Amino acid sequence: QKEVEQNSGPLSVPEGAIASLNCTYSDRGSQSFFWYRQYSGKSPELIMSIYSNGDKEDGRFTAQLNKASQYVSLLIRDSQPSDSATYLCACSGSARQLTFGSGTQLTVLP
Amino acid sequence: GAGVSQSPSNKVTEKGKDVELRCDPISGHTALYWYRQSLGQGLEFLIYFQGNSAPDKSGLPSDRFSAERTGGSVSTLTIQRTQQEDSAVYLCASSLARGGFTGELFFGEGSRLTVL
Repeated sequence: QKEVEQNSGPLSVPEGAIASLNCTYSDRGSQSFFWYRQYSGKSPELIMSIYSNGDKEDGRFTAQLNKASQYVSLLIRDSQPSDSATYLCACSGSARQLTFGSGTQLTVLP
Repeated sequence: GAGVSQSPSNKVTEKGKDVELRCDPISGHTALYWYRQSLGQGLEFLIYFQGNSAPDKSGLPSDRFSAERTGGSVSTLTIQRTQQEDSAVYLCASSLARGGFTGELFFGEGSRLTVL
């Protein structure tokens, strides 16, 4: 079983819609959770971090965490074609490194 | 430079040759990470440095892989006797991480390794 699981997609949504990206993790000791965005041919960049249960909003992005269910999600409101990228979920526990999922490829159709 | 710098950006080598990949982190960042990304895959952790020490080498795939960091700055990842399965993009990241782990990693553009 992979430590961090994501739906590989691809996920396509029309412009202006809400994109929902999901992630589950197996290590109950995980304490910190992150979403990275990776454009094709580019390196990942951090877009959201979340550390406690509930929702965290930043502009059009909302991260949701449910530690009991070992579930993390990212919602992108009013999706734009420029949001088209691969979104990587990552978790960290006691080890000072991130474990990444395989990513979900999102395409926002104009 | 302002960001993480990696070289070479592309490397094509023959099976059995040794390669060295270099990473120059953001100035002042104490933590440095190496990840590997194969085509269409997520990031595979290789090794992590705090200063010049490598507390976690658990991700190195085999003893053909080694890494060092000198002066708390530049790091070199060496792959000996390369195999075709070593073909991937090798990503370096750095982090401020003074008091603890932040999870905010700044990645370089990567070194694409192709082993023929």
